[in-house]
Amino acid sequence: AQTVTQSQPEMSVQEAETVTLSCTYDTSENNYYLFWYKQPPSRQMILVIRQEAYKQQNATENRFSVNFQKAAKSFSLKISDSQLGDTAMYFCAFKGGSTLGRLYFGRGTQLTVWP
Amino acid sequence: GAGVSQSPSNKVTEKGKDVELRCDPISGHTALYWYRQRLGQGLEFLIYFQGNSAPDKSGLPSDRFSAERTGESVSTLTIQRTQQEDSAVYLCASTVSGRGLYNEQFFGPGTRLTVL
Repeated sequence: AQTVTQSQPEMSVQEAETVTLSCTYDTSENNYYLFWYKQPPSRQMILVIRQEAYKQQNATENRFSVNFQKAAKSFSLKISDSQLGDTAMYFCAFKGGSTLGRLYFGRGTQLTVWP
Repeated sequence: GAGVSQSPSNKVTEKGKDVELRCDPISGHTALYWYRQRLGQGLEFLIYFQGNSAPDKSGLPSDRFSAERTGESVSTLTIQRTQQEDSAVYLCASTVSGRGLYNEQFFGPGTRLTVL
């Protein structure tokens, strides 16, 4: 079974600073995707960034980047130049090739960006 | 529509009553997923539809929970004889196909269910 662990229930950062959210996972699969989703108070889940396990290069989307360490089964999210609008719950998620597309989620990290 | 829609947005019910939650996926998306999000928790998978069949129902927590899908369109999640532990946000997601590892799931805004 796949498990996703986020060990930081809450994080805070000052506007314009950089913050890193941690995620570890466990799987026996070789081919899979990892995702970071953002959930603001509106409840709308928004895909922030994704990483395919076979790609060695870390994914980057504007201010968001990941540090994917496949051997360590670690997938952290770095947010640079934090903005007030980044305040949200962030979920790490796993999707494997054998699981018919279902996502496995961590428990989330509540990020607060302070002015 | 532009995205996944769900109704109602909020539902308050009394313990023991039945509730029905609705999900309208993005047009053309053949795969549809239901997830449950309890307060302070991550999302838990409930059921997956490919077309109108459900190849994976393994996440349904009890036989009080059931879901159906009409064609490749609307899905309804029914909870019978609701219990207080059913209180949660129920999220629906759709994607082009459940068989593609790459395919992004698009989420609706969820239904917040409160069982008194």
